Amino acid sequence: EPEVTQTPSHQVTQMGQEVILRCVPISNHLYFYWYRQILGQKVEFLVSFYNNEISEKSEIFDDQFSVERPDGSNFTLKIRSTKLEDSAMYFCASSEGTAEAFFGQGTRLTVV
Amino acid sequence: AQSVAQPEDQVNVAEGNPLTVKCTYSVSGNPYLFWYVQYPNRGLQFLLKYITGDNLVKGSYGFEAEFNKSQTSFHLKKPSALVSDSALYFCAVRRMFSGGYNKLIFGAGTRLAVHP
Repeated sequence: EPEVTQTPSHQVTQMGQEVILRCVPISNHLYFYWYRQILGQKVEFLVSFYNNEISEKSEIFDDQFSVERPDGSNFTLKIRSTKLEDSAMYFCASSEGTAEAFFGQGTRLTVV
Repeated sequence: AQSVAQPEDQVNVAEGNPLTVKCTYSVSGNPYLFWYVQYPNRGLQFLLKYITGDNLVKGSYGFEAEFNKSQTSFHLKKPSALVSDSALYFCAVRRMFSGGYNKLIFGAGTRLAVHP
């Protein structure tokens, strides 16, 4: 069964450092998303991506964040200068449209 | 704006008893509604969806949900709970707009605890 894969599963970084979280969405999906979840709490929308551009972003997704689809398979989230409050579980998801979104297992980002 | 409310932080139920996890939504236009489950240290796993058609939808692991337009609710149900159903459950809504399909908005989550 196709699935969304994320790497790494856990990333520890020092405050101020850049991190790149990687995702491989399901191959025939057209819509891609990043969400985050802090300490098992609410799942917060960060950004959606379609047709090689951002279609929507939240207030959380400020200038420190960027997304890219560098090739036909990967979808990345970059945080340029990490802050302590960026520590969270980051989930990538993909969908065909109105259908459900499928989520990866997440990357736990710890900023120290 | 669209939003989802899950009024219960936690639901406790005895194994074998029916369970209900509540969800109400607010969205302009026709809603697309979803339930996801999250086990500890895992991602979100899709359970079921309502797009159109029958108000009662069936999903994975014996779960079902009833769409009620007048009450703007989409409660998750299961006739007989299992201990293994214990997890965090999220209700989500999205709407279609002229530019395409927008984001899923999640409720705060409800922790289901099924006791032997």
